[in-house]
Amino acid sequence: SQKIEQNSEALNIQEGKTATLTCNYTNYSPAYLQWYRQDPGRGPVFLLLIRENEKEKRKERLKVTFDTTLKQSLFHITASQPADSATYLCAPYNDYKLSFGAGTTVTVRA
Amino acid sequence: DTGVSQDPRHKITKRGQNVTFRCDPISEHNRLYWYRQTLGQGPEFLTYFQNEAQLEKSRLLSDRFSAERPKGSFSTLEIQRTEQGDSAMYLCASSFLGDGTEAFFGQGTRLTVV
Repeated sequence: SQKIEQNSEALNIQEGKTATLTCNYTNYSPAYLQWYRQDPGRGPVFLLLIRENEKEKRKERLKVTFDTTLKQSLFHITASQPADSATYLCAPYNDYKLSFGAGTTVTVRA
Repeated sequence: DTGVSQDPRHKITKRGQNVTFRCDPISEHNRLYWYRQTLGQGPEFLTYFQNEAQLEKSRLLSDRFSAERPKGSFSTLEIQRTEQGDSAMYLCASSFLGDGTEAFFGQGTRLTVV
């Protein structure tokens, strides 16, 4: 069956450090993979999209990598800030829809 | 506000009652999705529409759930004979046509079945 696994533990990091989140998927062959941010009680918000033929994508302090051989995506938040504290969701795009992992909760300490 | 809006934001209902939620997508978007999310989990796909056509429904979706999107504009999700296990956040999202396009989510409807 299809499965999406993200870091099972929450991440607690010091402000200014880099947070690295992992997303592993099985039984998917997504042409695209998206990352979303979700704050408590709110809907997810799109952050980044990476295509299967792209190895890396950057947007401001965010970086995503996509390894279709390993079936893995890494999501990095550099120079983290307390405002980055949220849950981050990995979402392979397949068959015209997104499927989501359970998310990784990141807390950035000032 | 031109984002995705959902109504109501919160709903408390007694077990066995029917409930209906509404979603107004971004007007230019052809695709509309419904997801369900429980605490500590990611959104789980329920169904999606392209314009007014319902193109896919999750196999996990009980036949107590039905969704419509008349005229390809707003959508409704109805749950009949609610059960306590239906308690969750119901999220609506919309997107343009095209492969891999980003989804815009509403704030969700929080359903509590007592």
